[in-house]
Amino acid sequence: DAGVIQSPRHEVTEMGQEVTLRCKPISGHDYLFWYRQTMMRGLELLIYFNNNVPIDDSGMPEDRFSAKMPNASFSTLKIQPSEPRDSAVYFCASRYRGETQYFGPGTRLLVL
Amino acid sequence: DAKTTQPTSMDCAEGRAANLPCNHSTISGNEYVYWYRQIHSQGPQYIIHGLKNNETNEMASLIITEDRKSSTLILPHATLRDTAVYYCIVRTNFGNEKLTFGTGTRLTIIP
Repeated sequence: DAGVIQSPRHEVTEMGQEVTLRCKPISGHDYLFWYRQTMMRGLELLIYFNNNVPIDDSGMPEDRFSAKMPNASFSTLKIQPSEPRDSAVYFCASRYRGETQYFGPGTRLLVL
Repeated sequence: DAKTTQPTSMDCAEGRAANLPCNHSTISGNEYVYWYRQIHSQGPQYIIHGLKNNETNEMASLIITEDRKSSTLILPHATLRDTAVYYCIVRTNFGNEKLTFGTGTRLTIIP
């Protein structure tokens, strides 16, 4: 398996623009997680899905952030409008049932 | 999930065993100890996990004390590629899906 796939790997945008991050989980995994990592706050869980259904979005910072999982092989994290403080590395991870999480390579986002 | 305490940083000579400690004095009976590491600019990578018995895999060994209040991750022959931040996480396997990452230990392997 190719592992968790994220795109784009790098994104530079201007404040106010919409940003969409994409994730393809490992085939057969039924959990999908979105994390954000910054120097100040470390690695934080934003939201996770089970069988394509959002279960816990308490980590989503505000209404500007939204996440969807239209099917078992694809998820998006959208920021609209983006702000400089959203600059971070965003990781997607997937897991099968109670087993270990596997992380993608991350998307490095810079909002100018 | 129980909180964990790890040293901020450690050095280890290349080829020697790296021993990374973790304290989890409030761990409960159904909580596992997980170790992940994050090499610079990459996503966290699973290393090993255990409940109460010592565990070994191709990457590392995990030693859990009898009272389960602390554990040690052992990298038997550290290489430069083992330089990373190592996270010790305690969680249940069911009913709590979150992995809560602390600040971890920054391990530097010295040539």
